[in-house]
Amino acid sequence: GNSVTQMEGPVTLSEEAFLTINCTYTATGYPSLFWYVQYPGEGLQLLLKATKADDKGSNKGFEATYRKETTSFHLEKGSVQVSDSAVYFCALSESYDKVIFGPGTSLSVIP
Amino acid sequence: NAGVMQNPRHLVRRRGQEARLRCSPMKGHSHVYWYRQLPEEGLKFMVYLQKENIIDESGMPKERFSAEFPKEGPSILRIQQVVRGDSAAYFCASSPSATYNSPLHFGNGTRLTVT
Repeated sequence: GNSVTQMEGPVTLSEEAFLTINCTYTATGYPSLFWYVQYPGEGLQLLLKATKADDKGSNKGFEATYRKETTSFHLEKGSVQVSDSAVYFCALSESYDKVIFGPGTSLSVIP
Repeated sequence: NAGVMQNPRHLVRRRGQEARLRCSPMKGHSHVYWYRQLPEEGLKFMVYLQKENIIDESGMPKERFSAEFPKEGPSILRIQQVVRGDSAAYFCASSPSATYNSPLHFGNGTRLTVT
């Protein structure tokens, strides 16, 4: 079945450091791919998405490129801020009935 | 624009009691999804509903759990005879259409504690 794998956290970075969170997926067809972010005590919010191979999703300085050949959708940001501290979830949707989430990667950014 | 509204935010139940979790989707959204998040784990899909219909309940435990999305009113996730293992955060999400390209809009969750 479809699945999403993410790098394990927690990840701790200093402010202005470069961020990469790896995400790979398994799917039988051509899924849409998403990154969601969850701040403490809140629900998930969509961060960015890509719907076909080689698409790049971007938002708030974050970006991720849909790589079909490596079945990956790694999240990157050039310079993280303390306010980026949250849990990040990679997700896919292939069918019309549900989104499948990875386990989440906790990010802490220290001043 | 009101987002997805879930209530209560926190719910404490003793073992054996019933828990009812409510979710009002965003205005204009007719697709509702329930997910469960256990401590230190990701979100696990439970059930997908459209108005008056259960479309996919493959993630729902076979016993004690049920869900509905009536023609009028919020979606309800019902857990009968709760056990300690049911303690988790339950998130509802809605979408204006099927999720292949449409992102989910999440509520802030109901945190269920079973004592």
